[in-house]
Amino acid sequence: NAGVTQTPKFQVLKTGQSMTLQCAQDMNHEYMSWYRQDPGMGLRLIHYSVGAGITDQGEVPNGYNVSRSTTEDFPLRLLSAAPSQTSVYFCASRPPTGVAGELFFGEGSRLTVL
Amino acid sequence: AQKITQTQPGMFVQEKEAVTLDCTYDTSDQSYGLFWYKQPSSGEMIFLIYQGSYDEQNATEGRYSLNFQKARKSANLVISASQLGDSAMYFCAMREYMDTGRRALTFGSGTRLQVQP
Repeated sequence: NAGVTQTPKFQVLKTGQSMTLQCAQDMNHEYMSWYRQDPGMGLRLIHYSVGAGITDQGEVPNGYNVSRSTTEDFPLRLLSAAPSQTSVYFCASRPPTGVAGELFFGEGSRLTVL
Repeated sequence: AQKITQTQPGMFVQEKEAVTLDCTYDTSDQSYGLFWYKQPSSGEMIFLIYQGSYDEQNATEGRYSLNFQKARKSANLVISASQLGDSAMYFCAMREYMDTGRRALTFGSGTRLQVQP
């Protein structure tokens, strides 16, 4: 039961470095998304995808890039990390069910940018 | 503008008592879904309960029920017979249409519930 797998779980970067947070799901879910969680602000949507080849911006997309070349994978790229991107990142997926259907979350990736 | 509002940053409840966590939302859509998630200190997100905007009955899942008042745009979570294991952050969320014309889930800022023995 792999579900949604995120790697790495922890990462420390220096300002200006780039990195990719990996997200993979084995449930054949069309919809995938990335959130960041900051204290007092809940989860904010960064980018989401309704299927391979389709990505959209969420509430806080600046500084992040995504691509969706396969149904299984939805990587999140930080091109030039900034301290403001220090956060816990969650990847989540769900099957196409209209308004219903809960999100399946990964375990989160804690990123610190110095 | 904030779409999901949770006005209680923190709540305390005595073990075995019921507690209500507030959630109000703002949308112009007719079709939308409301969710509650639990996040224990270990960090994972756990789905609790779902309410569709067209559902006439309030959703219930075991000790969790959702007090859905559509006219007031509120979707409060009621936890009956609180247990120590209920201590966690609770997030209200709504699935609605984004500016892109596609649906996504947006979250409130959360309420930290502490159950006291």
